[in-house]
Order: sequence, then structure tokens, then C-alpha cells
Amino acid sequence: KAGVTQTPRYLIKTRGQQVTLSCSPISGHRSVSWYQQTPGQGLQFLFEYFSETQRNKGNFPGRFSGRQFSNSRSEMNVSTLELGDSALYLCASSLAPGLADQETQYFGPGTRLLVL
Amino acid sequence: AQSVTQPDIHITVSEGASLELRCNYSYGATPYLFWYVQSPGQGLQLLLKYFSGDTLVQGIKGFEAEFKRSQSSFNLRKPSVHWSDAAEYFCAVDPSSSASKIIFGSGTRLSIRP
Repeated sequence: KAGVTQTPRYLIKTRGQQVTLSCSPISGHRSVSWYQQTPGQGLQFLFEYFSETQRNKGNFPGRFSGRQFSNSRSEMNVSTLELGDSALYLCASSLAPGLADQETQYFGPGTRLLVL
Repeated sequence: AQSVTQPDIHITVSEGASLELRCNYSYGATPYLFWYVQSPGQGLQLLLKYFSGDTLVQGIKGFEAEFKRSQSSFNLRKPSVHWSDAAEYFCAVDPSSSASKIIFGSGTRLSIRP
């Protein structure tokens, strides 16, 4: 079974631009979560989607948004990029919310975003 | 506030030596507990998880972890490390039983001495 895939793997943008990252979960997984990883802040939760609905949101500004499609694929968007948005963005999928074992998250390789 | 503490930022052990990575959490009830490993430039790979039951959990790659409620700890161990174990290790907690808000520790970087 294929793992979580994320595209693109690397991105370079300039301040003020916007960016869209894509995540395809493991087949059969319906929950997708996004995390930001930086050397200073570590791994921080961005948001989670299940059945095309945002279930939870972390403490990030409104410039960060996401969505999920009917096939469970998810995208996250960052508008008006700032230098501090440079990070590794990780996507994780799980079967569904609910029972513990169904909620175990499996991570993709990440998209490394550099904002100049 | 809920938190996860990995007190060791960087550990170096000799190949073949035993390993223990420490993790302490702060939470009232017993949360779900995880260890992940991240190789340079890669995503996170799940090593093992604890939900309930037997407090000694076996994972992949020869790793195990022991949950100690009295110490609020979930330390990761391996009897004999290999050079390929060099990576960053993250302890994580799901305090709300909703895995979408996993809280990660700051990580421990493991180096292996030949």
C-alpha cells in the first residue's frame, strides 16, 4: 500500500506570494492533518480535515488555510508569505477519528518551503 | 498546560551500545503516547505507540518503550544500536484522544559513534 504523498517536495517563493501544497493520504484513510516543522518552534499542528470538514485548527494566523476533497486528498494554502513561513510542512493521514488505533497518524515526506 | 519534554537535545552512543531516550509528559489522564523517528530530510516514521494495557510496548527496528504512569514517562530503548539508527527521535502525546492534535516533544538527535 502506498504511503502518504506530498507535492511538491521543494518550493521557493518570495515574500508576499501565496503557495498551495498538496497531500494524498494512504488509500482508505479519510483524516488528514497538517503540521509545520521549524528549527525554532519544532513540530506544530496546523489543522485537521475529515470528510471534507475542518475538525481542528491550531494556533496559526488566517493566512494558513486548507481544504479536503471528496477523495480525501487535501491541500493547504498560505497567502501573503512571510520569511518566517519557511519550514517543512508535513501531512499525516489516519483512518478516521474515533478509536485509538484508527487515529494513528502516518506522515508523508513533507514539502520544504523556502521564502526569500 | 499539556506538554511533552525530551530533556536530551543530543545523544551520542557507540555502535552496539544500548540506548535510552527519555520522554516525560504533563497531563492529568493517561494519554496516547507515540515515538516517531525522522531521518534527515524525511518525514516522520512511527516507531511504536501506547494506548492501554501492557506498559512495555514493542516497536519496529528493535525499539521498545515503557510507560510508567507514576513517573509520567515513556522512555524509548534499544539494546544495541546500529549506525542506521542515527536520526532525530520525537516523543508525542495525544492528550485528547483525538490524534489530530498530537503534541510533539522538541526531539532528541541521536548520533552513533563507530
